[in-house]
Amino acid sequence: EIVLTQSPATLSLSPGERATLSCRASQSPSGNLAWFQQKSGQAPRLLIYNTSHRATGIPARFSGSGSGTDFTLTISSLEPEDFAVYYCQQRAGWPITFGQGTRLEIK
Amino acid sequence: EVQLVESGGGLVRPGGSLRLACVGSGFTFSRFSMHWVRQAPGKGLEYVSGISSNGGTTYYVNSVKDRFTISRDNSKNTLYLQMGSLRTEDMAVYYCARDGRDDNGYYFNDYWGQGTLVTVSS
Repeated sequence: EIVLTQSPATLSLSPGERATLSCRASQSPSGNLAWFQQKSGQAPRLLIYNTSHRATGIPARFSGSGSGTDFTLTISSLEPEDFAVYYCQQRAGWPITFGQGTRLEIK
Repeated sequence: EVQLVESGGGLVRPGGSLRLACVGSGFTFSRFSMHWVRQAPGKGLEYVSGISSNGGTTYYVNSVKDRFTISRDNSKNTLYLQMGSLRTEDMAVYYCARDGRDDNGYYFNDYWGQGTLVTVSS
């Protein structure tokens, strides 16, 4: 099983700032890594798949990068609606696994 | 508009059974693999089970193997999760999710239902 470790657990930033969220895998998911955003009481929303491909309708301020076992989700300039919990997910091996999440909160 | 609507959640005693359903609309259900993902109260996301488009291949996380069964009825556009021998640690919101695919062949969970809550308690 591929274990995903996200850091930091909580990130406190202000609107307009840049957010950098990390996801480290216990073994390479061969780039098959996705990012989801989840707001309280809502279902997860796909942001990024296959490391760097933005899902349909996702604003350009969201970008994904990485290789090997280290991956990053970057939000270039935070909007008020971006404060939420973010999860990475790998699909290279079964079972599909998720990271434990990073909470992005308003400073 | 793609929609996934789960139902069947509720209160069940430890050791009991429950069947969840997820009805898809706005897309050709029979062409897509489907998945169940759960989230315990205040916790993160956990993958539970998946099924191929024709139902011929299924996947389970180890913790639910031999207790849960995923299935689908493409004539009814419905995904199911039969849950048995339920434990308190199975208590969660259960989401169904579609497996989308882009032109390059990459798969991703692009649409999710709103979730249905399963409470396991005596």
